[in-house]
Amino acid sequence: KQEVTQIPAALSVPEGENLVLNCSFTDSAIYNLQWFRQDPGKGLTSLLLIQSSQREQTSGRLNASLDKSSGRSTLYIAASQPGDSATYLCAVRLANTDKLIFGTGTRLQVFP
Amino acid sequence: AAGVIQSPRHLIKEKRETATLKCYPIPRHDTVYWYQQGPGQDPQFLISFYEKMQSDKGSIPDRFSAQQFSDYHSELNMSSLELGDSALYFCASSLEDRGYNEQFFGPGTRLTVL
Repeated sequence: KQEVTQIPAALSVPEGENLVLNCSFTDSAIYNLQWFRQDPGKGLTSLLLIQSSQREQTSGRLNASLDKSSGRSTLYIAASQPGDSATYLCAVRLANTDKLIFGTGTRLQVFP
Repeated sequence: AAGVIQSPRHLIKEKRETATLKCYPIPRHDTVYWYQQGPGQDPQFLISFYEKMQSDKGSIPDRFSAQQFSDYHSELNMSSLELGDSALYFCASSLEDRGYNEQFFGPGTRLTVL
């Protein structure tokens, strides 16, 4: 059974810091991996999608890497801003399924 | 850019009542997914449809049913509601046909069962 874990569970940093959020998964037979952000009580905003054949994806200040063999993905946030404060979720999709299996999330707070 | 639309945004029901949630995918998307997120929990996959046919099924209770219509919108029907059904229900859509399988989520429907 695929399990997805995120470390740390919570993170509080001053504005301007570069951050690394970690995601690990137990079954390496994934189809793709997505990173989302969720504001309290709100929907999920897709940040980046990495296909199983890819090593990394970049979007603005965000960079996500994938090491399928070791079951790990990292989300790098450069020059963090207070507006980045949210919960960040990684989700994996196994081959031959539609469902995303979500991690436990990292709650990020960036203070001015 | 157009996003996934869900209605209603909030719904309050009594136990044993029935609820219907609607989802309108991003135009030209061919696949719809339903997820349930309980308080303080991560989203759990319920069911998905590709080209109006059920594609995959997760932990969806037998009291729930769903379908995708000819215009690609989808409805989640929930009967004999229980207190534990109170949650945020998300619909997502993607374009699977071309391999663009990124799932885009709607704002969710918050269901409260009293």
